[in-house]
Amino acid sequence: AQSVTQPDIHITVSEGASLELRCNYSYGATPYLFWYVQSPGQGLQLLLKYFSGDTLVQGIKGFEAEFKRSQSSFNLRKPSVHWSDAAEYFCAVGAIQAGTALIFGKGTTLSVSS
Amino acid sequence: KAGVTQTPRYLIKTRGQQVTLSCSPISGHRSVSWYQQTPGQGLQFLFEYFSETQRNKGNFPGRFSGRQFSNSRSEMNVSTLELGDSALYLCASSFEQGASQGLFFGSGTQLSVL
Repeated sequence: AQSVTQPDIHITVSEGASLELRCNYSYGATPYLFWYVQSPGQGLQLLLKYFSGDTLVQGIKGFEAEFKRSQSSFNLRKPSVHWSDAAEYFCAVGAIQAGTALIFGKGTTLSVSS
Repeated sequence: KAGVTQTPRYLIKTRGQQVTLSCSPISGHRSVSWYQQTPGQGLQFLFEYFSETQRNKGNFPGRFSGRQFSNSRSEMNVSTLELGDSALYLCASSFEQGASQGLFFGSGTQLSVL
């Protein structure tokens, strides 16, 4: 079955500390992978996407993610977290055959402590 | 460039009624997709429209329908509302059919069914 797992429901990180959000997927076809961020009451903002090529992708707001096919993972990282990064983060997977029917993980809520 | 615009922002309806939600994609984007977001089920794909044709449909009952107009604007309709239809409905647009160029989401319509 196709699925996306974000093992951490909630993470708290100190401001200035590094961040890694985990994402594992199960998908039959060659996947497209995405990370989105959602602030309360808002829509989803695309942070970065991976389709092919370099397995380390850079996104907006200083985020990056690394695709590891052997581990079926696409973890999101940021070297130094800012208080404004507090939000909910979603990993999603799709494929050419699926069109825009992405499968989303349940999300990880990030809190930033001062 | 303006983002994806969804109207109305909030809606309150009673069971049995029907509702229509509207979405204007980013200028130049020709694909519009709809997602339902609930605390229990997370983000789930409803359908994708491209060139006024439904290209893909998620696992939702026939009470959920949509259409796309020649200017790429889209509407989603839910008939015979049930309490479980209470959700944030998100519209996303992309330049071409599918998600290869990324999906860009609006802020959503929060529907409450009483």
